[in-house]
Amino acid sequence: SQTIHQWPATLVQPVGSPLSLECTVEGTSNPNLYWYRQAAGRGLQLLFYSVGIGQISSEVPQNLSASRPQDRQFILSSKKLLLSDSGFYLCASTRTGSSYNSPLHFGNGTRLTVT
Amino acid sequence: AQSVTQPDIHITVSEGASLELRCNYSYGATPYLFWYVQSPGQGLQLLLKYFSGDTLVQGIKGFEAEFKRSQSSFNLRKPSVHWSDAAEYFCAVGKESNTGKLIFGQGTTLQVKP
Repeated sequence: SQTIHQWPATLVQPVGSPLSLECTVEGTSNPNLYWYRQAAGRGLQLLFYSVGIGQISSEVPQNLSASRPQDRQFILSSKKLLLSDSGFYLCASTRTGSSYNSPLHFGNGTRLTVT
Repeated sequence: AQSVTQPDIHITVSEGASLELRCNYSYGATPYLFWYVQSPGQGLQLLLKYFSGDTLVQGIKGFEAEFKRSQSSFNLRKPSVHWSDAAEYFCAVGKESNTGKLIFGQGTTLQVKP
């Protein structure tokens, strides 16, 4: 089965600093990959998804960007963090072409606090 | 557009009591529906899913959910709650089957009293 590694687990960054969160996936090839953000009391919001290397779709306008340099690597970045970027960031994956038959597998998340 | 509403932000039940978590969805066709559970500081784990067929679906950890098209609901139930069930529960609807994207509800936090 799929295993998702996310790091770091927690991060405290000042406003205006850059950000790089990394996610790697084991146990599957060519997965669909997703970045979700969970803000306090607001559920999960899909930020980006990718169906292949270099293919990124953004779901909401924001201060963040995503990249997929390798098949099983998904990176979330920002050039200058805002206070509103604070939250719990979750990487998820599913088998390509699964049509929901394969469940989303989630990493353990990164807690980002922007100060 | 698809949406998911979980009307209860926080629910407290006594251990051994029954549980029902509400979920209402908005979707034009037959939806793909899911329930996920999140323990504190962790990722999400799939409890169960509904695609078609029998409207009562069984999941892991003794949970079940019933799809009611007439009420646009997919409520999660458990006959007897255990202290280890304390967590946050998310209902979700499938947005695009070819991409696997999900729209999540706001979540319901379950507290279990001893």
